[in-house]
Amino acid sequence: EVQLVDSGGGLVQPGGSLRLSCAASGFTFSSYAMIWVRQAPGKGLEWVSTISGSGGSAYHADSVKGRFTISRDNSKNALYLQMNSLRAEDTAVYYCAKGDTSGVNLVYWGQGTLVTVSS
Amino acid sequence: QSALTQPPSASGSPGQSVTISCTGTSSDVGNYNFVSWYQQHPGRAPKLIIYEVIKRPSGVPDRFSGSKSGNTASLTVSGLQAEDEADYYCSSYAGTNKFVVFGGGTKLTVL
Repeated sequence: EVQLVDSGGGLVQPGGSLRLSCAASGFTFSSYAMIWVRQAPGKGLEWVSTISGSGGSAYHADSVKGRFTISRDNSKNALYLQMNSLRAEDTAVYYCAKGDTSGVNLVYWGQGTLVTVSS
Repeated sequence: QSALTQPPSASGSPGQSVTISCTGTSSDVGNYNFVSWYQQHPGRAPKLIIYEVIKRPSGVPDRFSGSKSGNTASLTVSGLQAEDEADYYCSSYAGTNKFVVFGGGTKLTVL
């Protein structure tokens, strides 16, 4: 059974940093692209970042480019999102998701972890 | 403002059919057959219900169907049931620069 467990969220001051983690199990982790999607309170979904199965390719939304970095450790079946220079508008529930073979369809989702940026 | 445009709300009575539209551009919906639909119940993670315009993941009832014409994709829910009441989001691949774009979501109410 595929399981994705998001963690690392919390309250952080503007300008601060946070690292989110996603622990994956139930599939061959290194074979699939992984994705971070966020959802601000009461708002819609927003794609944040995608990383290929090998970790060799990574893509970030313009809204986080230069501030957030997606990475993965295939030896630990773990996905990460390093978030720096956080802003109030980054406040959201962050979900990790497993892509299918295309890397575009988000087949399985974690439960989400809440990041609140506030002073 | 979301990249893809969805109506904010839709409704129907049990047993009826409802269609939700998702309008993009020739750079996303119109250019790729990678349109997906996600169902999200309150407080829960989204769930993939349609991918690559018309395909259903295993376990998704065939009451859910997708289609596309030009820059507009559609999700049809037939034989509405109470448990279909949820938010629905469309998404599309948009190339290696934007990668994935989402619609703003449609709240489906079963009357």
